[in-house]
Amino acid sequence: DQQVKQNSPSLSVQEGRISILNCDYTNSMFDYFLWYKKYPAEGPTFLISISSIKDKNEDGRFTVFLNKSAKHLSLHIVPSQPGDSAVYFCAASENAGNMLTFGGGTRLMVKP
Amino acid sequence: GAGVSQSPSNKVTEKGKDVELRCDPISGHTALYWYRQSLGQGLEFLIYFQGNSAPDKSGLPSDRFSAERTGGSVSTLTIQRTQQEDSAVYLCASSRDRGTYEQYFGPGTRLTVT
Repeated sequence: DQQVKQNSPSLSVQEGRISILNCDYTNSMFDYFLWYKKYPAEGPTFLISISSIKDKNEDGRFTVFLNKSAKHLSLHIVPSQPGDSAVYFCAASENAGNMLTFGGGTRLMVKP
Repeated sequence: GAGVSQSPSNKVTEKGKDVELRCDPISGHTALYWYRQSLGQGLEFLIYFQGNSAPDKSGLPSDRFSAERTGGSVSTLTIQRTQQEDSAVYLCASSRDRGTYEQYFGPGTRLTVT
């Protein structure tokens, strides 16, 4: 029973364009959502997060949108750069300090 | 360094042997987590420490897996009688305290059981 799902295993975009990565969840008890970026042979790196009481959080080129009624969140990267090419994981938590539940990841390829 | 460190980076072992994986969290972080990532899969939670106590061991897949944390710092994950299905990347993360959501990951230990 996957509580967090990333339905697109891969995404390819042109440099300078917008990248949109999607994530769906089923557990209504999740109150915090995070995005991590992972390069090969490295651990995941924290990117951006959002509390369930908000619907948008922005940090530079990265914006996360949360639609609680649809149990859906998305990560927008604008403009996309070749260095953004990595696997992106969506994660969710029920309470601070608890485990994170991860989606299966989406591989983003940004072409020069 | 200032980040989470793990050792060894790679470990190849024969089926049936025991292995120990080590994690050094970020200095001052009281919460520590172990996850694993099998080939082509997402990250799977194993165990969580707050200080030296493990309030959540729900993710340990079998009694061959155990973990401890000493001095509120270093943690060791032990896998006894390894099986081929234990092959995965084992990731450790730490968090500032129990009131924090963001977890910071180490580079992982790639375990291969032959």
